[in-house]
Amino acid sequence: QVTLRESGPALVKPTQTLTLTCSFSGFSLSSEGVCVGWVRQPPGKALEWLALIDWDDDKYYGASLKTRLTIYKDTSKNQVVLSMTNMDPVDTATYFCARILRSGWDGAFDVWGQGTMVTVSS
Amino acid sequence: SSELAQPPSVSVSPGQTARITCSGRTLSDQYAHWYQQKAGQAPVMVMSKDTERPSGIPERFSGSSSGTTVSLTITGVQAEDEADYYCQSADSSGTWMFGGGTKLTVL
Repeated sequence: QVTLRESGPALVKPTQTLTLTCSFSGFSLSSEGVCVGWVRQPPGKALEWLALIDWDDDKYYGASLKTRLTIYKDTSKNQVVLSMTNMDPVDTATYFCARILRSGWDGAFDVWGQGTMVTVSS
Repeated sequence: SSELAQPPSVSVSPGQTARITCSGRTLSDQYAHWYQQKAGQAPVMVMSKDTERPSGIPERFSGSSSGTTVSLTITGVQAEDEADYYCQSADSSGTWMFGGGTKLTVL
């Protein structure tokens, strides 16, 4: 059974760096075609793709937040970590991680974590 | 703004057919995938690669594609189908993207 679970602080202050961890089981991030991505959703708004890391350690970032994001994996721990610098209240959102099975430039987010709500406030 | 365009809302009565569209240039050569998100829950994939229904998704869900537009059709809508629906695709620059979402209301 494939599962993912996000963890991290529920509250961060403006200008701080947010670090979120996605812990997963039921698959290997070393297997060809396997990726883990991050998606966020501000309250009442749409899903926004943030970042993705693949089995070959290639990393991809959404254009609007690229300068603030870092994604990396710890294959031995079955974890993917996302950090976002210089947090602002507009970054208040639920942050999801998900598995992607990639073929070329195609890939569907086939299994999602439950999400973790992050509030940015002083 | 999203590179995949969806209507903000669709309303149908129970038993009717709901069609949700998603348009974008990347769809001419990339697949689209669809997700259902009920209030307070994580998204669930309901359609993959334009027309492939994942295991466990009811047969009333179907997908189609034509040019730069893909569609998710729910035939015989049930009250439990009320949710937000998102299309998703990617492009050859390594950008993954979601549509703006469509709120399906079952009247």
